[in-house]
Formats: sequence, structure tokens, C-alpha cells
Amino acid sequence: DIQMTQSPSSLSASVGDRVAIICRASQGIDNSLAWFQQKPGKAPKSLIYAASTLESGVPSKFSGSGSGTYFTLTITGLQPEDLGTYYCQQYRNYPFTFGGGTKVEIK
Amino acid sequence: EVLLVESGGGLVQPEGSLRLSCVASGFTFSDHHMDWVRQAPGKGLEWIARVRKSARGHTTEYAASVQGRFTISRDDSRNLLVLQMNALKTEDTAVYYCGRSPTGKGPCDTWGQGTMVTVSS
Repeated sequence: DIQMTQSPSSLSASVGDRVAIICRASQGIDNSLAWFQQKPGKAPKSLIYAASTLESGVPSKFSGSGSGTYFTLTITGLQPEDLGTYYCQQYRNYPFTFGGGTKVEIK
Repeated sequence: EVLLVESGGGLVQPEGSLRLSCVASGFTFSDHHMDWVRQAPGKGLEWIARVRKSARGHTTEYAASVQGRFTISRDDSRNLLVLQMNALKTEDTAVYYCGRSPTGKGPCDTWGQGTMVTVSS
């Protein structure tokens, strides 16, 4: 199975900050990577697929980059509503696998 | 509006069985692969199963953790996705979400609200 490793596991940033979350795959996955946001007690919400393509309706403050084994989710202009846990998921090979999550808190 | 609504969760004893349902609306259900994903209390997301659309023969994929115990299926005439869970273990305790994949082998873009399964004696 492909292992997905996210870092950091948590971060605390101020309103207006730019934050970056890293996701590494244990083997190359081309650009078969998605990012999800999950707020406490809620279902996941899809943000990005194919490593860098924003889902419809997702604000451009979210951006994704990377290919192969190294990927980044960047949030620019952090706002209180961005708090939650962010997950990456590879869908190159079955079983699809998620990273362990990055909890984003607002200072 | 695309909508997925799960049901069927509850409390079950170890080695017991439970059947989860997910009713879809707002899109052509038969055109999409469908997934189940779960989240144990305080833990991360775990993908557990996919059933492909009719054009791909309703073939299935499973995570090793549920292979042989869980069965994913669908009834396109009723816009219904099912997860039959047998030989349940305490570690199967989780919120179970169904999801829709909009494109081929791609990830899900829409999720239901989830249904809680508790396996305990």
C-alpha cells in the first residue's frame, strides 16, 4: 500500500497568514492526489483533486502543487472559518490512502 | 443539489452484523463510482471500499482491514449504495461516510453526513 505522510500534524497561525501543509507519498503517484477539509463534527469537504485543480466553488485562497511524491496545500489569507483538519488522499493505486491529517488552529 | 444520506448505524456486539445504506439524489447515480470511508473516534479518515458504475460492471475494491468481512453493493434502480458489515470488531467503531466519485478512478467530491457504528459488548 502507498503510505501518505502529512506534516506538520498541527499548526497554529494568525488571521491573514499564509500556511503550507506538506504531503509525501511512499512511492510516485503522478498527480493523483486530493485534498480535503474537515471541520469538527462534519463530513469531509473536497478542496482539490489532480494535485492542483480546485473543486467548483472552492475559493482561490486554497492552492495545491506537486507531483510524484511531494505535494503542498497552501492557504493564503487564513481566516477563522479555515480552522479544521486537512487531509491528503492518493488515488493512484488501490487501496486509496489518506494522510494522517493536519489540524489548523487560529491563534 | 447533490445529496447523499446515510443510515443504518447503531450499536452492535462484536461478531455481529450491520447493514448501512446511502441514498443518493440530485445526480445520475448509475454514472458514478461510489465509496465508503470511515473515521474512528478522534482518528483520521480511512478509505474502505469502492463499487464502480454499471459501465464498469459494478466491480469492487476493498481495504485489507475489511476485505472478506464487508461487502459493498449498489442498486442503481433505487439510487442506493449499501455496505454489508459482518464479523464486526471493536476496531470497526467509526463514523461511516458514503462518497461520490465524479470522474473515472478519481476521488470523491461529495460526501454524506455520516452514520455512527459502535461495536461493543
